[in-house]
Amino acid sequence: GEDVEQSLFLSVREGDSSVINCTYTDSSSTYLYWYKQEPGAGLQLLTYIFSNMDMKQDQRLTVLLNKKDKHLSLRIADTQTGDSAIYFCAERVQIGGYQKVTFGIGTKLQVIP
Amino acid sequence: KAGVTQTPRYLIKTRGQQVTLSCSPISGHRSVSWYQQTPGQGLQFLFEYFSETQRNKGNFPGRFSGRQFSNSRSEMNVSTLELGDSALYLCASSLVPSGGTQETQYFGPGTRLLVL
Repeated sequence: GEDVEQSLFLSVREGDSSVINCTYTDSSSTYLYWYKQEPGAGLQLLTYIFSNMDMKQDQRLTVLLNKKDKHLSLRIADTQTGDSAIYFCAERVQIGGYQKVTFGIGTKLQVIP
Repeated sequence: KAGVTQTPRYLIKTRGQQVTLSCSPISGHRSVSWYQQTPGQGLQFLFEYFSETQRNKGNFPGRFSGRQFSNSRSEMNVSTLELGDSALYLCASSLVPSGGTQETQYFGPGTRLLVL
């Protein structure tokens, strides 16, 4: 079945790079996502990567996908205090006639000024 | 352009009752997805509607149902409420169905449901 795992907590200093990791179990995933949730600010789709890609870059964000190891990572360059939030990894899989999205538990990123 | 709106924002119900939540997508968006967020289970995908048809669904019992109207507004219904249904219910809208070539989703603020 589908399962997505990620570490619970990451602390980095402002200006450093952050790397949030995620592993998933279903090899038939079509898309993999990163969402950001800030307190009181709701959920936001940050970025996504199609399963046949290895890397996607979007300004300070770099997504790396290792399909062999079923490993997804999100790198945030020059981390700012405004990046403090919970980051959710998610995968979309095809199950029968439907697609389903499964989320990880979320990694809380703390940025120290 | 107005964002995704959800009503009501807060709701208190008792076990056994039913509840209907509403989501109005961004103007022009035809896809609406629903999610449940709880401290214990985290974020879980409920279902997705596009052009009044349910396209995708998660692993929720039949007590959870939804529909979408011709103006793309969507409602989610939970019957025979249980304590474990207490959660933040989020909806998201997108221009096209998720899983396509364009993945841009905008989330509403959520409806916080408390079941007593």
